[in-house]
Amino acid sequence: ILNVEQSPQSLHVQEGDSTNFTCSFPSSNFYALHWYRWETAKSPEALFVMTLNGDEKKKGRISATLNTKEGYSYLYIKGSQPEDSATYLCAFPNNNAGNMLTFGGGTRLMVKP
Amino acid sequence: DTGVSQDPRHKITKRGQNVTFRCDPISEHNRLYWYRQTLGQGPEFLTYFQNEAQLEKSRLLSDRFSAERPKGSFSTLEIQRTEQGDSAMYLCASSFFDRGEAFFGQGTRLTVV
Repeated sequence: ILNVEQSPQSLHVQEGDSTNFTCSFPSSNFYALHWYRWETAKSPEALFVMTLNGDEKKKGRISATLNTKEGYSYLYIKGSQPEDSATYLCAFPNNNAGNMLTFGGGTRLMVKP
Repeated sequence: DTGVSQDPRHKITKRGQNVTFRCDPISEHNRLYWYRQTLGQGPEFLTYFQNEAQLEKSRLLSDRFSAERPKGSFSTLEIQRTEQGDSAMYLCASSFFDRGEAFFGQGTRLTVV
């Protein structure tokens, strides 16, 4: 059983604050790490697929880093906006089982205007 | 193609009834996954198909659950003799073979009363 953990579970920030969350995952047999954003009443949306140790990916104000040797990834949001309010999920694919995803518990972000 | 679609979006059923959910994946995707998410948790893997073949099933999938993908296109997930513990969001996702990113539907929220 893979152990994928996220912290914190929830986070309240003011508009304009920058914030970051952590995902920890098994460092052995690393294949990839996915980040998803899940807004209420919508589909989970893929943000990043991270594959290489030291990778840093960016999409607008959101960026992610990856450390496969120690088994963690950080997601950063610069200058949070109310529309960033969502649950952010990381997921670890099992490439021996059709890339089925093992998800962390998610970080629920609420950005107050 | 507008993405992965799921039907119905919401289902309320009495304990002991059978329910069936449908998922229409992105048309060229040959992998289809079902996940279940309960409050405060990340999604948990249930099963996946490659084309019409069901290749992996989680231990979460009791014998009351059955999934099919008869022609390698849409899939159905049936729950027989529903229990209150089956109340959850049921998510469907699809992907290309061997490409990590999965595309999710909006889910079917099941409430068993």
